[in-house]
Amino acid sequence: KNQVEQSPQSLIILEGKNCTLQCNYTVSPFSNLRWYKQDTGRGPVSLTIMTFSENTKSNGRYTATLDADTKQSSLHITASQLSDSASYICVVWVRGSTLGRLYFGRGTQLTVWP
Amino acid sequence: GAGVSQSPSNKVTEKGKDVELRCDPISGHTALYWYRQSLGQGLEFLIYFQGNSAPDKSGLPSDRFSAERTGGSVSTLTIQRTQQEDSAVYLCASSLDRGPSYEQYFGPGTRLTVT
Repeated sequence: KNQVEQSPQSLIILEGKNCTLQCNYTVSPFSNLRWYKQDTGRGPVSLTIMTFSENTKSNGRYTATLDADTKQSSLHITASQLSDSASYICVVWVRGSTLGRLYFGRGTQLTVWP
Repeated sequence: GAGVSQSPSNKVTEKGKDVELRCDPISGHTALYWYRQSLGQGLEFLIYFQGNSAPDKSGLPSDRFSAERTGGSVSTLTIQRTQQEDSAVYLCASSLDRGPSYEQYFGPGTRLTVT
């Protein structure tokens, strides 16, 4: 079982609509959580970073939430645009003896239709 | 202000051949990472460099995989005697230093296809 689970696996929405992507993780000890956007054929680009003490963080039309107690995070996209079509990846940094490591979810493939 | 670059962007090779993948990190970034992204799978950590040394190579799937970094800059990932299961996108990332507060900047990846 993957230690960072994302849902849904894929999502199709109409332009202008809102959507919420989910991320549940089991890895610990938690250091921070990032959401990345990966366009087709490109490398992932960081959207937000959240530490243990943060509940909400916004970046334009993207708003991430974190509940460190239940180990859940969400990424809410408002007023979607065609350019939002991409894979959204949840990444958790786990503290460890070698300064930690990143654990990646498999991503949610978002398609925005006109 | 260039980002992380990788070459080639696409590589098709025959089973059993060796391949070399190159990564040029952002200038001044001391940490460099290699990841593999297979179809429908999340990114899989392969190896991490701090300067020219590799403190963590635990993700390399077999002894056919090796990597080096020279001059604290360019890195090459070598896969010997390629197998079909090696087909994937290989992503390189760099960060100013190692640690959770340092964002990793990713290159566009090299798509490797083993026929």
